[in-house]
Amino acid sequence: DADVTQTPRNRITKTGKRIMLECSQTKGHDRMYWYRQDPGLGLRLIYYSFDVKDINKGEISDGYSVSRQAQAKFSLSLESAIPNQTALYFCATSGMGDRGNYGYTFGSGTRLTVV
Amino acid sequence: AQSVTQPDIHITVSEGASLELRCNYSYGATPYLFWYVQSPGQGLQLLLKYFSGDTLVQGIKGFEAEFKRSQSSFNLRKPSVHWSDAAEYFCAVGARNYGQNFVFGPGTRLSVLP
Repeated sequence: DADVTQTPRNRITKTGKRIMLECSQTKGHDRMYWYRQDPGLGLRLIYYSFDVKDINKGEISDGYSVSRQAQAKFSLSLESAIPNQTALYFCATSGMGDRGNYGYTFGSGTRLTVV
Repeated sequence: AQSVTQPDIHITVSEGASLELRCNYSYGATPYLFWYVQSPGQGLQLLLKYFSGDTLVQGIKGFEAEFKRSQSSFNLRKPSVHWSDAAEYFCAVGARNYGQNFVFGPGTRLSVLP
């Protein structure tokens, strides 16, 4: 099994619909992140969570919400999807070891299309 | 604030040729530095990372990168490119105090000619 699992892998939804993207991890990391990838813009941070009780907005949080259900689970919701939210979404985790920040482990991504 | 620039949006090289992808960062201290690769339709995979010590770091798939503090650069190199290296490459900078999130560059897309 993958260290970071995202579901669904692909989703097409209609404008105005609510949709949830889910992420689970087996790394035991405390930090989890949601990023959005658009061509030419790289990865932009939507939300991040340092532990179950800690949720923080990233640079592009408008139109999104998150829930950290457990240390291993972090879901992203679009309350009312709009076409410019069409993108590739990545979940990532990070942990801290004796050599410092481990860096991110990414899921395989969810390709979301809003029509 | 941290920032990362990758000056080349798209690079095309012939198979077997050498490769250098540029990365420059802005950060107040010595950061952690990373290179990730994203193959078409895939997630991001860590190629290599710099934490401290030797400024030339080796990664997977024959890649290496050199940290140059004076130039605030962390360029990625490979002596001989393979067709399977065609992908998008992202440089990222992370803070040592673990209190800040990573910042990613915009990416460089690599095309490989047969």
